[in-house]
Amino acid sequence: DGGITQSPKYLFRKEGQNVTLSCEQNLNHDAMYWYRQDPGQGLRLIYYSQIVNDFQKGDIAEGYSVSREKKESFPLTVTSAQKNPTAFYLCASSIFGGNTEAFFGQGTRLTVV
Amino acid sequence: AQKVTQAQTEISVVEKEDVTLDCVYETRDTTYYLFWYKQPPSGELVFLIRRNSFDEQNEISGRYSWNFQKSTSSFNFTITASQVVDSAVYFCALGRDDKIIFGKGTRLHILP
Repeated sequence: DGGITQSPKYLFRKEGQNVTLSCEQNLNHDAMYWYRQDPGQGLRLIYYSQIVNDFQKGDIAEGYSVSREKKESFPLTVTSAQKNPTAFYLCASSIFGGNTEAFFGQGTRLTVV
Repeated sequence: AQKVTQAQTEISVVEKEDVTLDCVYETRDTTYYLFWYKQPPSGELVFLIRRNSFDEQNEISGRYSWNFQKSTSSFNFTITASQVVDSAVYFCALGRDDKIIFGKGTRLHILP
């Protein structure tokens, strides 16, 4: 089945550790996105990528890093510089970009203790 | 700057009532796209509709309907004869060529 796979669903890390969230899609979409969701904050854009080996910062990129070495994959690293990393993280992809609908993964709930 | 405002944080209605979710957007682009998504308790966002800025026709899909008005920069979503399964968080979003930004969402409770 085509879709977007995020793993793991739940992730626990100790404060000060970097952690990488996985996002893979087999929809052959060019664009991929990472959003962060906090209660009452909606979805805030962290990073987005329109093409392999290229990506742009979203509204809240500080403390995060990404790579786009393959079309299918867009991993997000939450670094120790991110002050409040505990959140629900959603990955999405779309055919061309913001002019086409995005399809979302199931999300990863990250808890930093 | 682009912005999406969903002023209704939370709405509760009794089953079978109609309910309208408001969405107001801001953009300087002449070409843009509007979306609605549903987020059930499972957490995964489900795409509902996409509209481009040149198409102001209202759309109906079953119990769902959407009213797009460029004059007021609004893209409202109405659920007719609501059902308990409609309980979810609903997001309005604005897209341009490179990215999609979301509003803060409206949490809808349908009471049996």
